[in-house]
Amino acid sequence: ETGVTQSPTHLIKTRGQQVTLRCSSQSGHNTVSWYQQALGQGPQFIFQYYREEENGRGNFPPRFSGLQFPNYSSELNVNALELDDSALYLCASSLDHTDTQYFGPGTRLTVL
Amino acid sequence: AQSVTQLDSHVSVSEGTPVLLRCNYSSSYSPSLFWYVQHPNKGLQLLLKYTSAATLVKGINGFEAEFKKSETSFHLTKPSAHMSDAAEYFCVVSDQTGANNLFFGTGTRLTVIP
Repeated sequence: ETGVTQSPTHLIKTRGQQVTLRCSSQSGHNTVSWYQQALGQGPQFIFQYYREEENGRGNFPPRFSGLQFPNYSSELNVNALELDDSALYLCASSLDHTDTQYFGPGTRLTVL
Repeated sequence: AQSVTQLDSHVSVSEGTPVLLRCNYSSSYSPSLFWYVQHPNKGLQLLLKYTSAATLVKGINGFEAEFKKSETSFHLTKPSAHMSDAAEYFCVVSDQTGANNLFFGTGTRLTVIP
């Protein structure tokens, strides 16, 4: 059984740029949720994708967008990067959007 | 609305002594509650989950948590701390709506002194 994987591990961007983060869900899972974890804080829910459709969204602006593909992998896109977007971005997969979610190792984004 | 409050930002124990990490929750209905652990530069690992089947929940690595509705608490315990337990611990509640997204506490950093 393959766990949740994310790429890249680290990323450095400058303010105003755009970034795409990728996540492969655990084998057999059809739901991917994305979370932002700022330094010293707990993760915050960004949005969830279930069977290629957005299935819930947290309090994040529209410049945070996502996709889910037929193989249930997912992308998180952030446009017009701001300094406050610097964080660890975590994705989690689950089956049929149950609340038992399994997390990937995260992508550390630094915005300069 | 669902939320959790972790009462200690940092807990320090000696190796071999008991661990207690405190969490209070707020929920409009019977909650699903979790504890996750995050080791440095690692993702989150699920320790245990409460779903109302039993108030005492056993998790991995010798951890357990007790759900107390009257106190709205879900404290995490372990009888004997090991050096490898040093990490950040998050108490989490599910919103139990369509997305079942998770609300995390602010975390408790556990230090284990040799």
